[in-house]
Amino acid sequence: TQLLEQSPQFLSIQEGENLTVYCNSSSVFSSLQWYRQEPGEGPVLLVTVVTGGEVKKLKRLTFQFGDARKDSSLHITAAQPGDTGLYLCAFNMEYGNKLVFGAGTILRVKS
Amino acid sequence: DSGVTQTPKHLITATGQRVTLRCSPRSGDLSVYWYQQSLDQGLQFLIQYYNGEERAKGNILERFSAQQFPDLHSELNLSSLELGDSALYFCASSVGQGASYNSPLHFGNGTRLTVT
Repeated sequence: TQLLEQSPQFLSIQEGENLTVYCNSSSVFSSLQWYRQEPGEGPVLLVTVVTGGEVKKLKRLTFQFGDARKDSSLHITAAQPGDTGLYLCAFNMEYGNKLVFGAGTILRVKS
Repeated sequence: DSGVTQTPKHLITATGQRVTLRCSPRSGDLSVYWYQQSLDQGLQFLIQYYNGEERAKGNILERFSAQQFPDLHSELNLSSLELGDSALYFCASSVGQGASYNSPLHFGNGTRLTVT
């Protein structure tokens, strides 16, 4: 059983389109992290959301933490080929010693 | 560049063999984490060390073991290898005892293990 459900599993869009990917759980989290992983590389931290209802922006990426701190979304505006990659959400278990990842959303942006 | 160095980048070996993967954490980071990434299981936490001591254990098989040395580098030993052990193995490091807002994980670029 996945503690974090990410959807969609795969997304292929044209350059310039907008998209949203989701990270859901039945558990309440003290914080949630989003990572992007490009082929041949390790995951890179994009953002950590901590407060219920929090919205964080990173250029064209907007991250939102649900009010109940059970879910999060990532919205990309005007996607570019450089946004292509695997987007992972993750939360801490065991007082931060164990970072648990969702299965991820594979995003492909075509030019 | 995350500052985390993993060697080798690629490893091809036969079933039943034993291999050692090496990780050098970012300068100043005391925690090292090992993860396994496969197509069917995703990114799975294996084990964490902090300043030489084991801190947390995940889905690590008994055939696998790890340690962190006094200079803080870490090694992951995989023995009696099976075909299903083929995967990407990532090392990550953080400055604190666990991943947190103030102590995020920094990942290396992984070792791709192929067991034939």
